[in-house]
Amino acid sequence: DSGVTQTPKHLITATGQRVTLRCSPRSGDLSVYWYQQSLDQGLQFLIQYYNGEERAKGNILERFSAQQFPDLHSELNLSSLELGDSALYFCASSVGVAGEYEQYFGPGTRLTVT
Amino acid sequence: ILNVEQSPQSLHVQEGDSTNFTCSFPSSNFYALHWYRWETAKSPEALFVMTLNGDEKKKGRISATLNTKEGYSYLYIKGSQPEDSATYLCAFINAGNMLTFGGGTRLMVKP
Repeated sequence: DSGVTQTPKHLITATGQRVTLRCSPRSGDLSVYWYQQSLDQGLQFLIQYYNGEERAKGNILERFSAQQFPDLHSELNLSSLELGDSALYFCASSVGVAGEYEQYFGPGTRLTVT
Repeated sequence: ILNVEQSPQSLHVQEGDSTNFTCSFPSSNFYALHWYRWETAKSPEALFVMTLNGDEKKKGRISATLNTKEGYSYLYIKGSQPEDSATYLCAFINAGNMLTFGGGTRLMVKP
């Protein structure tokens, strides 16, 4: 158990809908990263937040947004969902802002868009 | 799009064999390289974080080296055990904190 929690574990929704995925980092960690793992693209970095501020942005679609709250939990909002958004979404946390810190991954949220 | 490649894509070895695989990444704008172990139906688990050229890290039977000038890192497993069966993933991080993952090397160790 990494100490990172993600809810829900599974989510099934229809095209065009909007969903919110939630992540609570390990106690003491200030950075939260979001990743998408789809069958055809491997693991892709979406976005990083550190202590409430966006710090790095990867391959995140405009239909997706994220935020980190004062209690350091983070939410990833996915809107106007398409079939291709079906994937496993991981969050990870680390104590610092930069790449020299180890990341701890949560169990993931599996999103199925029908 | 940054090119991070891992080879081989998959590897079958016998228990007790030693093995190694490669992660190739851009040699410019390097900040850090991460290695992860990812078992089926689980989450990636950090093995090593490497930041300096010439870094060597070791954890039990697993070790890794880093060459930032030529853009590669090797992961070695000595005396492979069935429980080492997993996908080994590297992630290149640039100075802007952008992470790019390789496609992974899937290791299967036969008893």
